[in-house]
Amino acid sequence: AQSVTQLDSHVSVSEGTPVLLRCNYSSSYSPSLFWYVQHPNKGLQLLLKYTSAATLVKGINGFEAEFKKSETSFHLTKPSAHMSDAAEYFCVVSDLMRLGGGFKTIFGAGTRLFVKA
Amino acid sequence: DGGITQSPKYLFRKEGQNVTLSCEQNLNHDAMYWYRQDPGQGLRLIYYSQIVNDFQKGDIAEGYSVSREKKESFPLTVTSAQKNPTAFYLCASSIALNDRAYEQYFGPGTRLTVT
Repeated sequence: AQSVTQLDSHVSVSEGTPVLLRCNYSSSYSPSLFWYVQHPNKGLQLLLKYTSAATLVKGINGFEAEFKKSETSFHLTKPSAHMSDAAEYFCVVSDLMRLGGGFKTIFGAGTRLFVKA
Repeated sequence: DGGITQSPKYLFRKEGQNVTLSCEQNLNHDAMYWYRQDPGQGLRLIYYSQIVNDFQKGDIAEGYSVSREKKESFPLTVTSAQKNPTAFYLCASSIALNDRAYEQYFGPGTRLTVT
């Protein structure tokens, strides 16, 4: 069965320090993995995606993530946090399990990132 | 600009009333989705539609209904049968990246409050 676990519900960092948001998944096939960001009362914006190409994926706003199959992880990182990074982040897995001709998508519960000045 | 619009942004209703949330996309995507988001939880799938005039129940369809008469539009009705309708509702559409993955695009959401 597919699942996505975001290991921290809240992460707090100081501005200018590194960010690490952790995500583990389980999937029966080689999944596609995504990170989305959501600012308060807004929709979700795609940060980056892994679709079986390079395992180190670079996204927008300086974020990147590394797909590690042996560890079933897809952690999100950024070298230096900015105040505008404060938001909720969702790890998402899309698997080959088809439903009605589509794909199954599972969302993690989210990690809220706080950035202190 | 291409994208997904949801209206209204905030919606207030009395208990026992049906309410319809609008979702329109001009991305020419075939597939559209409705999700519900509650505090501290991830998104849960209510309904999805792969093509016009066809839709399928998601994980929490009870108390909701949808229609897909046009490719661009996928309205969601929250009926009085939905026991806990107050939530943030997100509409999405998707495009296939390859034969193994697709990418979802999200609207800005509608916050529904029922009292």
